[in-house]
Amino acid sequence: EVQLLDSGGGLVHPGGSLRLSCAASGFTFRNYVLTWVRQAPGKGLEWVSGISDSGAGTYYADSVKGRFTISRDNSKNMVFLQMNSLRADDTAVYYCVKGQNSGSWFGDYWGQGTLVTVFS
Amino acid sequence: EIVLTQSPATLSLSPGERATLSCRASQSVTSALAWYQQKPGQAPRLLIYDASNRATGIPARFSASGSGTDFTLTISSLEPEDFAVYYCQHRFNWPLTFGGGTKVEIK
Repeated sequence: EVQLLDSGGGLVHPGGSLRLSCAASGFTFRNYVLTWVRQAPGKGLEWVSGISDSGAGTYYADSVKGRFTISRDNSKNMVFLQMNSLRADDTAVYYCVKGQNSGSWFGDYWGQGTLVTVFS
Repeated sequence: EIVLTQSPATLSLSPGERATLSCRASQSVTSALAWYQQKPGQAPRLLIYDASNRATGIPARFSASGSGTDFTLTISSLEPEDFAVYYCQHRFNWPLTFGGGTKVEIK
């Protein structure tokens, strides 16, 4: 059974940092792309970042470029999102999402989400 | 950035009725479009990928069509569990983007 366990969310002040983690199981991790998608309270979905199966390719939304860094550890089946210079509008539930395969970025499995709250 | 515009924002229908949801892209995304369903308090679920392919386990009452800039998701006969918010997403280029969503509510 595919499982994605998001963690690392919490309360942080503007300008602060957080590192989100996602532990994956139930599939051959190194063969799939991964993304992070967020959802602000009461709002729609926003794609945040993606990483290729090897980790060589990383991609970001303009809203987080230069502040967030995605990475993965294929030996530990984990993906991370380092979030720096956090702002109030980064407040959201962050989902770790597994791509359908190494070439498709559509998410066929989603984590339960981890809440990040940026407050002053 | 490709903007996806979903319409209507809200669709009020009764169980058993047909639902037709639209997603329009600001430029062609070929067939690189997906549809997701999200219920309150839950993560989204993939319904359709590559414009018209049902994901694993998705009932046949869900169908989709389109290519280029205009896409449609159809629910042939609404079941009680289908009342939810539906999002489209493209994977044509970077950044990937989602539409703003269509809420299908009980009339």
